[in-house]
Amino acid sequence: DSGVTQTPKHLITATGQRVTLRCSPRSGDLSVYWYQQSLDQGLQFLIQYYNGEERAKGNILERFSAQQFPDLHSELNLSSLELGDSALYFCASSSSGSADTQYFGPGTRLTVL
Amino acid sequence: AQSVAQPEDQVNVAEGNPLTVKCTYSVSGNPYLFWYVQYPNRGLQFLLKYITGDNLVKGSYGFEAEFNKSQTSFHLKKPSALVSDSALYFCAVPAVGSYQLTFGKGTKLSVIP
Repeated sequence: DSGVTQTPKHLITATGQRVTLRCSPRSGDLSVYWYQQSLDQGLQFLIQYYNGEERAKGNILERFSAQQFPDLHSELNLSSLELGDSALYFCASSSSGSADTQYFGPGTRLTVL
Repeated sequence: AQSVAQPEDQVNVAEGNPLTVKCTYSVSGNPYLFWYVQYPNRGLQFLLKYITGDNLVKGSYGFEAEFNKSQTSFHLKKPSALVSDSALYFCAVPAVGSYQLTFGKGTKLSVIP
């Protein structure tokens, strides 16, 4: 158990809908990363927050957004969902946002029908 | 940009034999390198990392990795494979500055009883 929690584990929804994925980092970790894992794109970085502030953006679509709250949990919002958004979404946390080890949550499997 | 490559999609090894999962890197400056493992329907688990110092890094579950600067490689090794080592293995490198991970495409390891 990495100490990073993600909810829900599974999400099935329809095209055009909006969903929210939630992540709680390990106790004391200030940095949260979101990654997407799909068969065709592999593991790709989406966005990083550090102590409530956005620090880096990767291949994140404009339909996707995220935030980190004062208690350091993070939410990833996916809107106007398309079939191609079906993937595993992972959250990871690290202590300081430097090259510290990132610990991953179990992931949320999103299926868009 | 920092990048890693895993040249093998799949590696098969007999139980009890030594295993090697290959990774090569392309980075600017001193490399930080990571190995993660993903078991079916699970998140990524941290195995080990190289920051600086000894070229042989020891990690979890009896795994080790050898950093070779002249060959720009960071191969994952284990002296005696177990069936339970069968999983997907990812090599990763953090980006400069923001430290989000760039992953290789993954190598599926199958240990045959």
